[in-house]
Amino acid sequence: SAVISQKPSRDICQRGTSLTIQCQVDSQVTMMFWYRQQPGQSLTLIATANQGSEATYESGFVIDKFPISRPNLTFSTLTVSNLSPEDSSIYLCSVKTVLPYGYTFGSGTRLTVV
Amino acid sequence: EDQVTQSPEALRLQEGESSSLNCSYTVSGLRGLFWYRQDPGKGPEFLFTLYSAGEEKEKERLKATLTKKESFLHITAPKPEDSATYLCAVHNGRTNFGNEKLTFGTGTRLTIIP
Repeated sequence: SAVISQKPSRDICQRGTSLTIQCQVDSQVTMMFWYRQQPGQSLTLIATANQGSEATYESGFVIDKFPISRPNLTFSTLTVSNLSPEDSSIYLCSVKTVLPYGYTFGSGTRLTVV
Repeated sequence: EDQVTQSPEALRLQEGESSSLNCSYTVSGLRGLFWYRQDPGKGPEFLFTLYSAGEEKEKERLKATLTKKESFLHITAPKPEDSATYLCAVHNGRTNFGNEKLTFGTGTRLTIIP
């Protein structure tokens, strides 16, 4: 299955600033997904990123707040903009693999906004 | 809307004490039900994919089963290293870009006491 490297693993940011999270995959994948996991809660899909097209965002998430880039089939970034304490969460990238069929996750980025 | 409910929220077992975790789901067209293990500070680690009612899969001390409405993760003679949060997710059956997604439950936090 695919191996995902996600950076940074954690960060503490001032409110009003932005954080960009990188997700590097060791093989080419069509679909990449970005999730948020708030404290004590489950994973919520933010958006789906496909190479060469704009990301598709889930209800409640907007591009201005969570811009995503997908320059090639092995890399994506998620930026969390204009940070507020409510953005303190774990952010995870995920890829869909065909063989074996499933979804692999990165190790996550723990963001704390102060 | 797809829904996944996991129970119990938390479970404490003595080492060697077998039990089961429950995942109840409603989805418009199940393409797959996934079980993941998540350790603190890490991303979800894939365990099983189940596709149709009656299917069972095993890995070491874990066995996952599936019916039309729920899935069980049975853990036999658990060890302290099995302590983790176990997540269940369903695939919504759509494969076109922007509409494919996993819906996760909130997880069961399992603690195995030596």
